[in-house]
Amino acid sequence: QLQLQESGSGLVKPSQTLSLTCAVSGGSISSGDSSWNWIRQPPGKGLEWIGYIYHSGTTYYNPSLKSRVTMSVDKSKNQFSLKLSSVIAADTAIYYCARARFDGYYFYGTDVWGQGTTVTVSS
Amino acid sequence: DIVLTQSPDSLAVSLGERATINCKSSQSVLYRSNNKNYLAWYQQKPGQPPKLLIYWASTREAGVPDRFSGSGSGTDFTLTISSLQAEDVAVYYCQQYYRSPQTFGQGTKVELK
Repeated sequence: QLQLQESGSGLVKPSQTLSLTCAVSGGSISSGDSSWNWIRQPPGKGLEWIGYIYHSGTTYYNPSLKSRVTMSVDKSKNQFSLKLSSVIAADTAIYYCARARFDGYYFYGTDVWGQGTTVTVSS
Repeated sequence: DIVLTQSPDSLAVSLGERATINCKSSQSVLYRSNNKNYLAWYQQKPGQPPKLLIYWASTREAGVPDRFSGSGSGTDFTLTISSLQAEDVAVYYCQQYYRSPQTFGQGTKVELK
């Protein structure tokens, strides 16, 4: 079955760039009915959707983070990545990668999630 | 952005009793061309990622117990746990997919009374 696993820097200094990768196993990142998402959760708080990328490389970012976010996909490695620049303490969170299903009109359910990776922004 | 407001923020329910969580959207999430509401419900237990329970407002994800049900349309939605079990203690979130950016409700914490 499809599984996702995040990896990357757990401690990032303020003003630097956070970099995370999500490895996809048990399925292909080139699946046409899926988008590949990043979602974060600050400690003790709710969920914030960061954005998604398709296997084609098409992206959509949350406007609240758009100026600092870059997502990319590597089909040869079956993985996708997140970069968040100019980080501040408020970017400290658990970062999840996840797959959302598409029904031809809209996405409708995020059914596969990674376990999440904690990123702390601190000097 | 579409704002989702959940109520209550927390509730305590006895084992075997019903739990009801509401989610109100600032805009309709009903796509009239296919008559589907693009709203999902998730369960999150401590230390775990969210788990998809319900999509299209009322369709149960495969493997989810039938004590979980979703209802509503347009702007008002409800997640019902018909007979609370100990393993249902968690935080529950609604999420809309109708308009980007996708947004979540603030969460509702369900505890045992």
